[in-house]
Amino acid sequence: GAVVSQHPSWVICKSGTSVKIECRSLDFQATTMFWYRQFPKQSLMLMATSNEGSKATYEQGVEKDKFLINHASLTLSTLTVTSAHPEDSSFYICSAPDPGQGYYGYTFGSGTRLTVV
Amino acid sequence: DQQVKQNSPSLSVQEGRISILNCDYTNSMFDYFLWYKKYPAEGPTFLISISSIKDKNEDGRFTVFLNKSAKHLSLHIVPSQPGDSAVYFCAARGRGSRLTFGEGTQLTVNP
Repeated sequence: GAVVSQHPSWVICKSGTSVKIECRSLDFQATTMFWYRQFPKQSLMLMATSNEGSKATYEQGVEKDKFLINHASLTLSTLTVTSAHPEDSSFYICSAPDPGQGYYGYTFGSGTRLTVV
Repeated sequence: DQQVKQNSPSLSVQEGRISILNCDYTNSMFDYFLWYKKYPAEGPTFLISISSIKDKNEDGRFTVFLNKSAKHLSLHIVPSQPGDSAVYFCAARGRGSRLTFGEGTQLTVNP
């Protein structure tokens, strides 16, 4: 099936620095990428939807200036957490519609564990 | 406003028996429902799905039932195996192909 490669799998950064997370679709073109965040023992919460060549759509309550999303090509979407703070520590996951799963399928990256110290 | 709810945070069953995971939703505009299995520090893995126009879909040991009038769906795993132990998420597809996830249920299958 389709694969979304997400990097890094974990990162520790100092408060105030920025961190970039990459998601690449390896064997298909992802015109859309969904970005989620999961806090411990909680649900996956959709943060934003990125579309190749256009601005990302952010969910209510998500700061677009803090979570910068870029979808510059059909195979790469990035999420940059700017001026990270400890409360941004979370598990971030990307997802793209998976043509191999039929019209309604999605494939997920392996996730990035972000710890801000 | 939690539109998709999994009210049982955990479920424990014996190997070989049936596991039943439940999910309720409030938004009647959801048109597709999916179940995912997730291990810690990994992305969710797709298990099975069902369209809102159907009431049952079966794939091997996994069967999903949808009761649209009750806005309820369930995932049945039979027979349960220790390798099935994981967190199971129910998800619903809505506007703009967005998925809304439930809180997850930790399934433990005891040998």
